[in-house]
Amino acid sequence: EAQVTQNPRYLITVTGKKLTVTCSQNMNHEYMSWYRQDPGLGLRQIYYSMNVEVTDKGDVPEGYKVSRKEKRNFPLILESPSPNQTSLYFCASSPGRRETQYFGPGTRLLVL
Amino acid sequence: AQKVTQAQTEISVVEKEDVTLDCVYETRDTTYYLFWYKQPPSGELVFLIRRNSFDEQNEISGRYSWNFQKSTSSFNFTITASQVVDSAVYFCALSERNNAGNMLTFGGGTRLMVKP
Repeated sequence: EAQVTQNPRYLITVTGKKLTVTCSQNMNHEYMSWYRQDPGLGLRQIYYSMNVEVTDKGDVPEGYKVSRKEKRNFPLILESPSPNQTSLYFCASSPGRRETQYFGPGTRLLVL
Repeated sequence: AQKVTQAQTEISVVEKEDVTLDCVYETRDTTYYLFWYKQPPSGELVFLIRRNSFDEQNEISGRYSWNFQKSTSSFNFTITASQVVDSAVYFCALSERNNAGNMLTFGGGTRLMVKP
């Protein structure tokens, strides 16, 4: 089944404790993105990747890192999480630029 | 800069009623792409439709239909004979051709509640 998977789905952590949210797609898509969804602010792009080893900032990149060492994986790294990073995070992939983005199931993160 | 507005934050209907969700967008690009996504209570984002700016044909898929009007910068979504399972938050989104990051600009969403 073609899909985007994210792990973990739910995470509670404390300020400053490094964490990684994994994202994987099995559709051989070129583009991958991370978004966060917050009440009143909607969905905003954090980082995107056009291909292996090519990443760039989206609208709200502060406090996040990403890497794209393999085409299928695009992990989101929070080196030192803070409470304002409490959010619902979505990974998405698309075959190319301007194509439809398909989203993962989301990861709910709570930073205490 | 691009912008998407969904003026209806919440709509409540009774099952079998028709309902239209409005979406108005702003862009300076002449080529762009419009999308609708559904977010059910379980939280995932489900793709419904993609439309490019050169294709103004209306689309129908089962009980769902979309009306794209370039003249009014609108891309409205109608559900015919609504069902309880249609209860969700619906997002309209825009992507511009010149956007290197393939970024989607989302509207604020419309929460649809279909009561039995």
